[in-house]
Amino acid sequence: GESVGLHLPTLSVQEGDNSIINCAYSNSASDYFIWYKQESGKGPQFIIDIRSNMDKRQGQRVTVLLNKTVKHLSLQIAATQPGDSAVYFCAENQSQGGKLIFGQGTELSVKP
Amino acid sequence: GAVVSQHPSWVICKSGTSVKIECRSLDFQATTMFWYRQFPKQSLMLMATSNEGSKATYEQGVEKDKFLINHASLTLSTLTVTSAHPEDSSFYICSARQEVYGYTFGSGTRLTVV
Repeated sequence: GESVGLHLPTLSVQEGDNSIINCAYSNSASDYFIWYKQESGKGPQFIIDIRSNMDKRQGQRVTVLLNKTVKHLSLQIAATQPGDSAVYFCAENQSQGGKLIFGQGTELSVKP
Repeated sequence: GAVVSQHPSWVICKSGTSVKIECRSLDFQATTMFWYRQFPKQSLMLMATSNEGSKATYEQGVEKDKFLINHASLTLSTLTVTSAHPEDSSFYICSARQEVYGYTFGSGTRLTVV
């Protein structure tokens, strides 16, 4: 299940299940969004991106959905594997200055 | 692909001393570099944006005199934490942006101030 507290929300899934990670972004003017995976002690790793003129984009085992009306992004991971265990962040590009602002993040734990 | 090298990967320093962290884009020229700080179990917080040859733009609440950023070339940006204190202990991450490659992140620097 999913929990929210003072630290990162966590999502625990069984290996082979699909995972859905959600993110609310802050700026309605943001036009570019990226999902990152971060393993412990490492920098963020690009997963998939989407521009604001799209609602959905698919990659290998991953799909990103964008709902601009409610400023919401989701990352769907199909057939989740133990190697997917990590913290996942959404990031929004706030056009002015090209800054990339990160969302809160979700810790995904995959049980074998 | 685009690679950003960040050095050192970890550093321990005494309180009151200064520490310099380097961020290099290895196979591309970065139009802009960004510095982030990340505390345990938290998100990446943008500290500043730097462009080659100009002064860095700091985010609200980030002390520019404490976190000195130098962007001397299109492939190198440095962050110096001056007069470091234990509360500066954190994970510092740089990112380089380029038109074709987008945003590429370094592997981070774990700073521990004792």
